[in-house]
Amino acid sequence: DAGITQSPRHKVTETGTPVTLRCHQTENHRYMYWYRQDPGHGLRLIHYSYGVKDTDKGEVSDGYSVSRSKTEDFLLTLESATSSQTSVYFCAIRKTGTENTEAFFGQGTRLTVV
Amino acid sequence: SQQGEEDPQALSIQEGENATMNCSYKTSINNLQWYRQNSGRGLVHLILIRSNEREKHSGRLRVTLDTSKKSSSLLITASRAADTASYFCATDHNTDKLIFGTGTRLQVFP
Repeated sequence: DAGITQSPRHKVTETGTPVTLRCHQTENHRYMYWYRQDPGHGLRLIHYSYGVKDTDKGEVSDGYSVSRSKTEDFLLTLESATSSQTSVYFCAIRKTGTENTEAFFGQGTRLTVV
Repeated sequence: SQQGEEDPQALSIQEGENATMNCSYKTSINNLQWYRQNSGRGLVHLILIRSNEREKHSGRLRVTLDTSKKSSSLLITASRAADTASYFCATDHNTDKLIFGTGTRLQVFP
């Protein structure tokens, strides 16, 4: 298995509270991604990173921010959680962005906002 | 949205039968990838087909790509109960993004 660890694996939080999810990799891959998975929508890209301190928005970035201060860590923050952000969040890594490479996924974080 | 769509949304077959699922996308791609997800788990890469390829095989998997129609299909031959999972296509565009489709849930009955 690719060395990707997501933490926490499960979290229940209250509306309006900040939440940070962590993705940690041991593969030294350049690209890291955050997706959310919801029934009927498949996986939707939230944000991604193409290097330390280099990030960009995905399809559903509103209400989320990210940071990557080290190659191995990519943090996803919900500044003020809402019920619509209840979802399963997946982190993925890729060796390169456009040179025909596959992505490796973490096991997911199930977030419930009550 | 660049998100692709897959059909059918759900597919139920008997062991031994073939399963075909389709993926359509909207903009030009570098490559198209197929992934599998077992219930409650992360996605696992199955196969990648480049934009200049038309067909690719890997074991019981056969993938085709028609860039003129912006579509791809995944064929699983001689399916097994262990193939029960959700299958997603993902398109790699001329950016760094990897965009996933909505997925097909495959159920294979023994």
